Amino acid sequence: AQSVTQLDSHVSVSEGTPVLLRCNYSSSYSPSLFWYVQHPNKGLQLLLKYTSAATLVKGINGFEAEFKKSETSFHLTKPSAHMSDAAEYFCVVSDGRYGGSQGNLIFGKGTKLSVKP
Amino acid sequence: NAGVTQTPKFQVLKTGQSMTLQCAQDMNHEYMSWYRQDPGMGLRLIHYSVGAGITDQGEVPNGYNVSRSTTEDFPLRLLSAAPSQTSVYFCASSYAFGTGELFFGEGSRLTVL
Repeated sequence: AQSVTQLDSHVSVSEGTPVLLRCNYSSSYSPSLFWYVQHPNKGLQLLLKYTSAATLVKGINGFEAEFKKSETSFHLTKPSAHMSDAAEYFCVVSDGRYGGSQGNLIFGKGTKLSVKP
Repeated sequence: NAGVTQTPKFQVLKTGQSMTLQCAQDMNHEYMSWYRQDPGMGLRLIHYSVGAGITDQGEVPNGYNVSRSTTEDFPLRLLSAAPSQTSVYFCASSYAFGTGELFFGEGSRLTVL
C-alpha cells in the first residue's frame, strides 16, 4: 500500500535563508513522486516530479528535490527563500496502477511555509 | 488558455438542497477528477474519470454523483447536501491517468448550513 507523510505541518523561515520541507513515502512499487504548491485561495500547481530518471529533480522557482530510495524520502529544498514562496506544499506519491479508491495518487496532508521579512 | 474552469467559486446551501459544481477543461485531457480539501487533511479524491463515459469512485464518494458525457466536462452533483460536505472542492485534469501531472481549477468553496 502507498502512503506519504509530510513531517512538518508548518515551517517558518526568514527571507534569504534555505527552505527544507520533508516528505517520506511508502510504496510497494517503483513510485513516481511529486511536489505541488498551493498559494492562498488558489488551486494546486505542479512544482516538480520524479519519475525514475535523475534522482535530483529541479522544478520551478528555484526549488529542487532529491529522491533517496534507501531513506524513502523526497525532501523539497530551496537555497534562498523569497516572500512569494509563502504557500502550502503537498508531497504526492503515485505507483502508476489503475484503479483503487485512491485513483493512483496519494496526497500528503501539506506543509504550510511562512516566510518572514 | 482557460485551463480548468470551475463554477461557481462560492456557494451556500441549506441542508437537503442539491446542486451541481461545474468543471470544464479545454486541454483535451482524458483524465478528470474531483477532490475535496479540508483543513489538516490534504486532498481526498471523490470521483474520477479516465475518459468520456467512464467514471469511478475515489476515497470519499458518498453523497456525490458524477457523469462524463464529453471529454471537456465533468460535473459533480451533491444529491442532498449535508454540513459534512462543507469544504473546498477542486477539479483536476491530466492528459492521461497515472501521470501525476494534474492541472487544477481554482476551487469552489461550498458551505452547507
